[in-house]
Formats: sequence, structure tokens, C-alpha cells
Amino acid sequence: DIQLTQSPSFLSASVGDRVTITCRASQGISSYLAWYQQKPGKAPKLLIYAASTFQIGVPSRFSGSGSGTEFTLTISSLQPEDFATYYCQQLNSYPITFGQGTRLEIK
Amino acid sequence: QVQLQESGPGLVKPSETLSLTCTVSGGSINSYYWSWIRQPPGKGLEWIGYIFYSGSTNYNPSLKSRVTISVDTSKNQFSLKLTSVTAADTAVYYCARGGGKLLYGGWFDPWGQGTLVTVSS
Repeated sequence: DIQLTQSPSFLSASVGDRVTITCRASQGISSYLAWYQQKPGKAPKLLIYAASTFQIGVPSRFSGSGSGTEFTLTISSLQPEDFATYYCQQLNSYPITFGQGTRLEIK
Repeated sequence: QVQLQESGPGLVKPSETLSLTCTVSGGSINSYYWSWIRQPPGKGLEWIGYIFYSGSTNYNPSLKSRVTISVDTSKNQFSLKLTSVTAADTAVYYCARGGGKLLYGGWFDPWGQGTLVTVSS
């Protein structure tokens, strides 16, 4: 199985901050990586797929980059509604796996 | 737009079979991959498996011996059966469109709202 390791696991930041979350894969996954946002009691929401492609309706302050084994999700200017847990997910090989999550909280 | 809704018992006894159905509305189940994903309380996400509308399946090896996913295209539904459940299977179960290895179409979107299944006697 491909292991996805997110860092940090917990992040405390303020509205307006720029934050970056990293996802490292245990082996190369080309661009088969997505990022999801999950708020408490809700289903995850697809933000970015194919490493850097925005899902329709996702604000432009979110961006993704990377290929191979290292990927990043950047939020350029945190808004109150961005405080949530973020997961990366790979689709390069089966079984499909997710990172352990990064919990983003308000400082 | 396409919406998914999980249904089934919220409580299952140990050693019994967990059965859930996902109903797809606002669009056809045809031509897509459909997955089940679960999340134990307070933990991360685990992909259970997918079914293509034609009936082909792919399961997570960690659950493969206990999982069956089926599809009923006439009802626009797909279903999950998980046998011999234990407390470790207690989780929120989500259905979602996606799971096929398609760079621009295999991702999980949309998702159902999720349903909590508790395994307890």
C-alpha cells in the first residue's frame, strides 16, 4: 500500500495567514493526488485533484502543487470558514489511501 | 446536481452483517465508479472499495474477505455488505462517486452525508 504522510498533523493559525500543508507519498504517484476539506459532522469536500487542478467552486486562495512523492496544499490568506481538517488522497494504485489528516485551528 | 444518500441500520450486532445502500439522485449511476469510504469516530478515512456501473469491483485487501459491493442500475443504487463485524467496524460510512484510476474523473465527488453504524450487542 502507498502510505501518505501529512505534515503537520496539527496547525494553529490566524485569519489572513498563509499556510502550507505537505503530503509525502511512500512511492511515486505521478499527479494522482487530491486534497479534501472536512468540517465537523460533514462529509469531506473535494478541493483539488490531479495535484493542482481546482474543483469547480473552490476559492482561488487554495492552490496545490507537486508530483511524484511530495505535494503541497497552500491557503494564501486564511478565512474563518477554512478552519477544518484537510486530507490528501492518492489514486495512483490500489488500495486507494488517504493521509492521516491535518487539523487547522484558529490561533 | 448529483446527490447521494446512504441508508441502513445504525446499529449492528457483533458477528452479524452490516448492510447499507446508497441512492443516487439527480443523475444516472451509469458510466461512473462508485465507492464506499468509512471513518471511525475521531479518526481518518479508509477506502472500502468501488463498483463500476457495469458491476466490476475492486476492494481494499484489508477488508476484501468480508466485503461485497453490488449495484442496481434500475434503482440507481449501489450497496455495501460487510460480514462478521466487530467493534472495530464502528464508523461513519460514506458513499461517493469516484474511485476509478482516472486523472480527471476518478476523484471522490460528490459524497453522501454519511451514516454512523455502531457495532454493539
